Amino acid sequence: DQQVKQNSPSLSVQEGRISILNCDYTNSMFDYFLWYKKYPAEGPTFLISISSIKDKNEDGRFTVFLNKSAKHLSLHIVPSQPGDSAVYFCAASAREYNNNDMRFGAGTRLTVKP
Amino acid sequence: DAGVTQSPTHLIKTRGQHVTLRCSPISGHKSVSWYQQVLGQGPQFIFQYYEKEERGRGNFPDRFSARQFPNYSSELNVNALLLGDSALYLCASSFQIRGDPGELFFGEGSRLTVL
Repeated sequence: DQQVKQNSPSLSVQEGRISILNCDYTNSMFDYFLWYKKYPAEGPTFLISISSIKDKNEDGRFTVFLNKSAKHLSLHIVPSQPGDSAVYFCAASAREYNNNDMRFGAGTRLTVKP
Repeated sequence: DAGVTQSPTHLIKTRGQHVTLRCSPISGHKSVSWYQQVLGQGPQFIFQYYEKEERGRGNFPDRFSARQFPNYSSELNVNALLLGDSALYLCASSFQIRGDPGELFFGEGSRLTVL
């Protein structure tokens, strides 16, 4: 069962423009959401997270927005840089339970063109 | 500081064989989790160990087993390999298992190919 979905397998943007990556989830027990970035031949690395008590979290060029009623979150990268080209995974977990049991989406491959 | 280390990085097995994958967590991390990433999909949770005890298990058959040692390193074992077990196996460590998840620290993974 796919509880976390990333419906766009790929996204291409021009350097300097905004990248918006989307993620939907179905399990209302999820209360913590994370984005991971993965380069080829490397493990995923943590990028940014958001708790369900917030609707926005910002860290430099990266902002995550959470819409609980729609069970939707998005990652905004502004401005996009060529080094941001990677696969981005959305992940969700429930803090009440084992928070290492994260459910990941299938990923979105972002390409930032110079 | 060393990150999460996994071995081997690549291996090829044939159907029916057994495989053991190893993981050393970041120093000070007591929790180790294993994930399977099949091509084109996101990582899928297999196991989590904390303080040498199994604390979580994903929807995987009994052919998959794991353990954690006193030094917090971990092994993932897969018996009677099937073609569908071909995947990247990721190990992740973290400091705690309750409260805000924070981040998982992933290793580079062990790529298993079953022929």
